[in-house]
Amino acid sequence: DAKTTQPPSMDCAEGRAANLPCNHSTISGNEYVYWYRQIHSQGPQYIIHGLKNNETNEMASLIITEDRKSSTLILPHATLRDTAVYYCIVRVIQGTYKYIFGTGTRLKVLA
Amino acid sequence: GAVVSQHPSRVICKSGTSVKIECRSLDFQATTMFWYRQFPKQSLMLMATSNEGSKATYEQGVEKDKFLINHASLTLSTLTVTSAHPEDSSFYICSARGSTGDRYGYTFGSGTRLTVV
Repeated sequence: DAKTTQPPSMDCAEGRAANLPCNHSTISGNEYVYWYRQIHSQGPQYIIHGLKNNETNEMASLIITEDRKSSTLILPHATLRDTAVYYCIVRVIQGTYKYIFGTGTRLKVLA
Repeated sequence: GAVVSQHPSRVICKSGTSVKIECRSLDFQATTMFWYRQFPKQSLMLMATSNEGSKATYEQGVEKDKFLINHASLTLSTLTVTSAHPEDSSFYICSARGSTGDRYGYTFGSGTRLTVV
């Protein structure tokens, strides 16, 4: 079973920040939080990952709570091309651990 | 960055025939590949883990004789759907893990849409 829960859908106005939450209350100390997104009929695309510190890259920011039981992916200025299903996954950084996908959040960016 | 190529992107086959889907790592050696299936409006469901040179490990409920996986080299894994039926119609996606440096997670192929008629 997936170790994460996410809201099934969200809407966001174009140009505004999209904040996508993820709950991972059973996360272990050696598990990272990864975010992927899947645009219709394509394979998932890596966005960002983190352990306990907040992270930022050219695509997004990741805010992880101090207790690591939840996180938020932030798309600072959402565009129509950000419309996709966003998946939050936890995995151990070392070794070959399979990804178990939860239901994800279907983000719709509105013009 | 790491690139995984999946072929074909779309395939239509007749019921009862077999279909082979290829997953190639283009610029790295993939010691492990994963195969997923995704039905419309649903999440990705892991089918099996494929390790180079050894038998694949199938998830519970996935028929190994129906979904044949071969990972004969460090850059190629194949999934063969045998005796396909309309209920096998789905989006099949592979992902690959390199032997080193998968800090940025596993790389996914672009998927294969299988339609069985």
